[in-house]
Amino acid sequence: DVKVTQSSRYLVKRTGEKVFLECVQDMDHENMFWYRQDPGLGLRLIYFSYDVKMKEKGDIPEGYSVSREKKERFSLILESASTNQTSMYLCASSLDHRSYNEQFFGPGTRLTVL
Amino acid sequence: AQSVAQPEDQVNVAEGNPLTVKCTYSVSGNPYLFWYVQYPNRGLQFLLKYITGDNLVKGSYGFEAEFNKSQTSFHLKKPSALVSDSALYFCAVRTGGFKTIFGAGTRLFVKA
Repeated sequence: DVKVTQSSRYLVKRTGEKVFLECVQDMDHENMFWYRQDPGLGLRLIYFSYDVKMKEKGDIPEGYSVSREKKERFSLILESASTNQTSMYLCASSLDHRSYNEQFFGPGTRLTVL
Repeated sequence: AQSVAQPEDQVNVAEGNPLTVKCTYSVSGNPYLFWYVQYPNRGLQFLLKYITGDNLVKGSYGFEAEFNKSQTSFHLKKPSALVSDSALYFCAVRTGGFKTIFGAGTRLFVKA
């Protein structure tokens, strides 16, 4: 089974702090994604990566950056955390570029910015 | 623009009764359609998908979904609901490229 792990389940940070969220998948998937989940809004794509060192902006990239130095690891960085970034963050991976491949999700990180 | 609509925020059903969670979509091109489930404090789990072929797709935990091209719908169904089916359900669509569009989610409550 594919396993996607996220570094923290719960995180509390102060406004202005730099925040790192780590995601690791163990099935050699090409694609990795970061979403945020807010009630009533579903999942919104922040960034995705289709290969090592490659990244593409999603629908809401402002205030975020990402890093993919190794195939199995995809990091989300909040350069200067703000209260409106309080949310559930979900990492996902999928096998390759083919559109019919489903995504495998990590357990999520609930981030609170005070 | 591509979009997915889940018209019901919440669905309530008694245990043992059939359940339906509705999903409609708007895309250009042929859609690939997915259902995911999220249990409390967990990430999303894949349930089933429609790629092509038979309009009735069977998935995990006894769930199935029917693809209806003329009505642009992909409703999730189960003949007999269990209390353990209570969760948040997401419909999603992808036509090409890397992006998947998710619906806002429908919360299912199954009462014993």
